Amino acid sequence: DTGVSQNPRHKITKRGQNVTFRCDPISEHNRLYWYRQTLGQGPEFLTYFQNEAQLEKSRLLSDRFSAERPKGSFSTLEIQRTEQGDSAMYLCASSLEPGTTAWNEQFFGPGTRLTVL
Amino acid sequence: GENVEQHPSTLSVQEGDSAVIKCTYSDSASNYFPWYKQELGKRPQLIIDIRSNVGEKKDQRIAVTLNKTAKHFSLHITETQPEDSAVYFCAARMEYGNKLVFGAGTILRVKS
Repeated sequence: DTGVSQNPRHKITKRGQNVTFRCDPISEHNRLYWYRQTLGQGPEFLTYFQNEAQLEKSRLLSDRFSAERPKGSFSTLEIQRTEQGDSAMYLCASSLEPGTTAWNEQFFGPGTRLTVL
Repeated sequence: GENVEQHPSTLSVQEGDSAVIKCTYSDSASNYFPWYKQELGKRPQLIIDIRSNVGEKKDQRIAVTLNKTAKHFSLHITETQPEDSAVYFCAARMEYGNKLVFGAGTILRVKS
């Protein structure tokens, strides 16, 4: 499968614990995005990377959230001191960079479903 | 910031009928409008998109129309089939912008 992959697919944790998710984008894609999706809602933007640079962060991304893309390939999203309100599906997407052919489409991964007890 | 509203939240149609889902956006600088289909437990997948320099785009049974003046765009599915049943999301993005701003989604049920 050459699409976007995410691990783990499911994570159950207790309130106050730290969790880390991984996203592997499509190999030639420079841009990588993180979204959060709660039940009955559309995905909400969290942050995005152009190669290894984190260029935009949403106000939704509190200081408990940190994302990295150290080598411009895979990315990790860490949530510290999880709260019940963090329970959601965390989606990763990737795309080519602007100006390239077909850069518009964002390809989504299967998501990581987080449940905070 | 950009806001996208989507209606209806649920839509039931008989197999073979047409389905229409409508979205409005707030930021006039938005000029890219994709539609994603998400089946239960699966990732969102792009089904059609439109740029603001085009008023309509078709791909087999699916079409999207855009009215920039009114800031709304619609998804049209003709000859619906049971496999069209899913959640459909509209989204908007500014030129060379980064984030997609999604609507809340429409649950489409096609009854056979």
